[in-house]
Amino acid sequence: GESVGLHLPTLSVQEGDNSIINCAYSNSASDYFIWYKQESGKGPQFIIDIRSNMDKRQGQRVTVLLNKTVKHLSLQIAATQPGDSAVYFCAENREGTYKYIFGTGTRLKVLA
Amino acid sequence: EAGVAQSPRYKIIEKRQSVAFWCNPISGHATLYWYQQILGQGPKLLIQFQNNGVVDDSQLPKDRFSAERLKGVDSTLKIQPAKLEDSAVYLCASSPRLDPSYNEQFFGPGTRLTVL
Repeated sequence: GESVGLHLPTLSVQEGDNSIINCAYSNSASDYFIWYKQESGKGPQFIIDIRSNMDKRQGQRVTVLLNKTVKHLSLQIAATQPGDSAVYFCAENREGTYKYIFGTGTRLKVLA
Repeated sequence: EAGVAQSPRYKIIEKRQSVAFWCNPISGHATLYWYQQILGQGPKLLIQFQNNGVVDDSQLPKDRFSAERLKGVDSTLKIQPAKLEDSAVYLCASSPRLDPSYNEQFFGPGTRLTVL
């Protein structure tokens, strides 16, 4: 699986700016994707999902973009707030299987 | 609605000792997952139950790890004997159905294990 040890990629953004977090997924047969947010000492929490028949999905302040050609997923957070500081993971599921494969996390730091 | 409960929250043991973790899923959830999350990495699935049957345990190190869900409700994960590389957070998650594409997987807070 993916491994970055203690050197988790970090994105630092100014409060109020937009954030873009990227994820390269591994399996071209994956057809369902989720972004999770994980705060320190807590389990992952669902943010937004997207199926492979879509290329964009919007939620409240968040947008997920899917590019199947290059197996790339991104999470956009509008007007980033201090409470958005966390580690963000993408996860993929391949149709016919019953599990998620989690990608490399990105730590988001919101600067006041 | 109560969430997924796990205990203990923290555990420190010496290598070669044994340890057990407990998980109580959300009421009515048939599917239960155990994940291992090493610091700085995404969760890795160890074992998945549907009721009291195992759906997937392909990444469970069966020489030292075992898990059970005897009555199809709560579950225990055991490590015997523990190794240094088992230091991680062990996450339990549950879902009302087997198909993960319905996005109904809820995670507990995890148990942080430190092996010295």
